[in-house]
Amino acid sequence: DSGVTQTPKHLITATGQRVTLRCSPRSGDLSVYWYQQSLDQGLQFLIQYYNGEERAKGNILERFSAQQFPDLHSELNLSSLELGDSALYFCASSPRPTGYGETQYFGPGTRLLVL
Amino acid sequence: KNEVEQSPQNLTAQEGEFITINCSYSVGISALHWLQQHPGGGIVSLFMLSSGKKKHGRLIATINIQEKHSSLHITASHPRDSAVYICAVSAGSQGNLIFGKGTKLSVKP
Repeated sequence: DSGVTQTPKHLITATGQRVTLRCSPRSGDLSVYWYQQSLDQGLQFLIQYYNGEERAKGNILERFSAQQFPDLHSELNLSSLELGDSALYFCASSPRPTGYGETQYFGPGTRLLVL
Repeated sequence: KNEVEQSPQNLTAQEGEFITINCSYSVGISALHWLQQHPGGGIVSLFMLSSGKKKHGRLIATINIQEKHSSLHITASHPRDSAVYICAVSAGSQGNLIFGKGTKLSVKP
């Protein structure tokens, strides 16, 4: 158990819908990262937050947004869902941001299926 | 061409064999990570290294910065080592992770 929690574990929804994925980092970790893992693209970095502020963006679509709250939990919002958004979404956390030589601790993931 | 390449893509071994998984990268990095993804999907960080060699139990990771190459070795492999092993590099000004496609390892008893 990494100490990172994600909810829900599984999510089935329809095209065009909006969903919210939630992540609670390890106690004491200020950085949160979101990743998408699809069959064709593999793991891809989406976005990074540090202590409530967006720190870096990766391959995140405009239909997707995220935020980190004062209690350090984070939410990833996916809207106007398409079939291709079906994937495993991972959250990870670390004490400090990347670039400081930090190991990231991964949550169990949320499996999203868009029908 | 992907910025992080792993080989082989798939690997089948007999229990007890010595296993090597390779990772080559084409960008400047601040660190290289080896991750293990179990069949259930969970990801565990095995190593983070920026130079030299690290060892944890039966796992050894090495990196050659000049050659932009890293290897993950598993000694005395066991069926419970069956998983996907993913190489990732921290690159760019923010050090965000770029992932390889992974190596699927199956160890037969």
